[in-house]
Amino acid sequence: GESVGLHLPTLSVQEGDNSIINCAYSNSASDYFIWYKQESGKGPQFIIDIRSNMDKRQGQRVTVLLNKTVKHLSLQIAATQPGDSAVYFCAENPYNFNKFYFGSGTKLNVKP
Amino acid sequence: NAGVTQTPKFRILKIGQSMTLQCTQDMNHNYMYWYRQDPGMGLKLIYYSVGAGITDKGEVPNGYNVSRSTTEDFPLRLELAAPSQTSVYFCASSSPERERETQYFGPGTRLLVL
Repeated sequence: GESVGLHLPTLSVQEGDNSIINCAYSNSASDYFIWYKQESGKGPQFIIDIRSNMDKRQGQRVTVLLNKTVKHLSLQIAATQPGDSAVYFCAENPYNFNKFYFGSGTKLNVKP
Repeated sequence: NAGVTQTPKFRILKIGQSMTLQCTQDMNHNYMYWYRQDPGMGLKLIYYSVGAGITDKGEVPNGYNVSRSTTEDFPLRLELAAPSQTSVYFCASSSPERERETQYFGPGTRLLVL
């Protein structure tokens, strides 16, 4: 299968600070990526996506950056809030429209 | 819309027992998926379906079966439960719109095989 991994399993940040969660992918043919947020006891929830023809995409308080040269994806959360505490997954869609490959996740702890 | 619903929420099985995990979506999505998530891990694709009557294997299909007789329902069957199948199971659906290939997930079914 494809390899989608994360550099940091746990990230602790102070409330109000910015958070950066990283993800590495292995397949250079991947053309679509999604970040998901998973709160305890719930299913993953879509946050933001990006296609390989873009380097950056912004949402509400979130920004995804894609570096195709080093096959790296990051999620930036501005002014992190306690409600942002969750596990964040990146998912990769290499070449099959129907299949996504998920990383193992990064747990974000927001300290008040 | 209720979105994606799954039943049961939690189940304990004995080794060798069988059960069906139910999944229903009311968004008229053609694509549906079953994933399993082991503790501290990401999601692994078990089976998926691109429409009624069509199913295909994912990364980890062994020990599972699926059917897709309607657009709304995509049940997952475990015939002979094994401890290795202890996991949280998520069902998801998506509409193949080019701009938004996101998947909507259900709340999950937690399965414990003893």
